[in-house]
Order: sequence, then structure tokens, then C-alpha cells
Amino acid sequence: DTGVSQDPRHKITKRGQNVTFRCDPISEHNRLYWYRQTLGQGPEFLTYFQNEAQLEKSRLLSDRFSAERPKGSFSTLEIQRTEQGDSAMYLCASSLVGAPVPSYEQYFGPGTRLTVT
Amino acid sequence: AQRVTQPEKLLSVFKGAPVELKCNYSYSGSPELFWYVQYSRQRLQLLLRHISRESIKGFTADLNKGETSFHLKKPFAQEEDSAMYYCALSVNTGFQKLVFGTGTRLLVSP
Repeated sequence: DTGVSQDPRHKITKRGQNVTFRCDPISEHNRLYWYRQTLGQGPEFLTYFQNEAQLEKSRLLSDRFSAERPKGSFSTLEIQRTEQGDSAMYLCASSLVGAPVPSYEQYFGPGTRLTVT
Repeated sequence: AQRVTQPEKLLSVFKGAPVELKCNYSYSGSPELFWYVQYSRQRLQLLLRHISRESIKGFTADLNKGETSFHLKKPFAQEEDSAMYYCALSVNTGFQKLVFGTGTRLLVSP
């Protein structure tokens, strides 16, 4: 499967614990996005990377959230001191922007479902 | 502020009936709009974008700037069209942040 992959697919944690999710984008894609989706809502933008640079962060991304994309390949999203309100599906997407063949399409991964008890 | 509104949470039709999934947006810039679809147990995927003006799986969507709408239409629904449909607006220049609506679940009954 050459699509976007995310690990783990499901995570159950206790309030106050730290969790880390991983996203592997499509290999040649230079942009990577993180979204959060809660029940009954559409995905909400969290942050995105152009190669290894984090170019924009949503106000939804509190100080407890941090994202990295070392070497411009895979990305990690860490949530510290989890709260019940963090329970959601965390989606990763990637796209190819720029020459020679730019793509407007964001390709989504299957998501990581986080449950905070 | 940028906003996408999908007023219907659920749209239920019979096979062969016409379908229209409504989408309205609020954006002060030049809008770039998309429809994404999520079939059961599958990941979110792009269905169509307004710039391409193409028909995908029989679906079309026309951007109406006067009414700030981007409704998705299909003249004859099929059972395999049953899925969750999200309208999305790309904000800023380029294809960066997507602002999604809350989605409409389409159920096509035989």
C-alpha cells in the first residue's frame, strides 16, 4: 500500500498521560497536514508542514500539542497531559506542491482514533 | 471568518432519484472548493473540485459565487453512492488549509 499510513490506528489512554502518533505520507509528497475530527463534525485543521518546516498552526493546537517532521519525511503528533476533550480521530494527509507536477489533492490516511478515559 | 455549512446531516433517497447535497460557504477571498467522500470503512478521498468542472461518478458541482454555494448533484442516485460527503474550502493562496463542513450522510435505498 503506497498511500498515507498512520500508527497506531487506535489508542486508549488515561487522562494525564502523553501519547504520540505517527504519520507516513506518500513518499514523494512534500506537504503534510494534521486534522482532528470529533463525532458529528468534519475534519478540523491543526497544522501543516512543507518538507520539515511547520508553516501554520491552528489555534486548536494548544501548548500540549506538538508536531514534528524531521527530515521532511514522517511526522509525529504528540499530546501531553491528555484530557477527555482530546478524544477524537486524528487524521493525517499529504500532498505534492510545486514543480514539476503539482497536485491540489490532499491524500488522507486512515486516522488514529484516540480515546481518553 | 471562513466557514462551510452543510445544512443536512442525512439525506435519504431511493435508487434512481436525483440527489442534491447542499453546501454554502463564507470566505472573503477567492474560493477554492472541493467535495470529499468517505465510503464505509474507507478513508476520506477527493471526489471533485470546482476548478476542474468535471463529472466524477456522475456527480457535478457548480460554484455559484452570488449565492456562495457549491451544491453537489447527481441526476440518478445509485446504491453505491451511499457515503459521507464533506464540502471543503481551501483558504489562503495555494492549496493549504482545508475548512470542512460537518458532512452529509447520503443513504440510497433500493
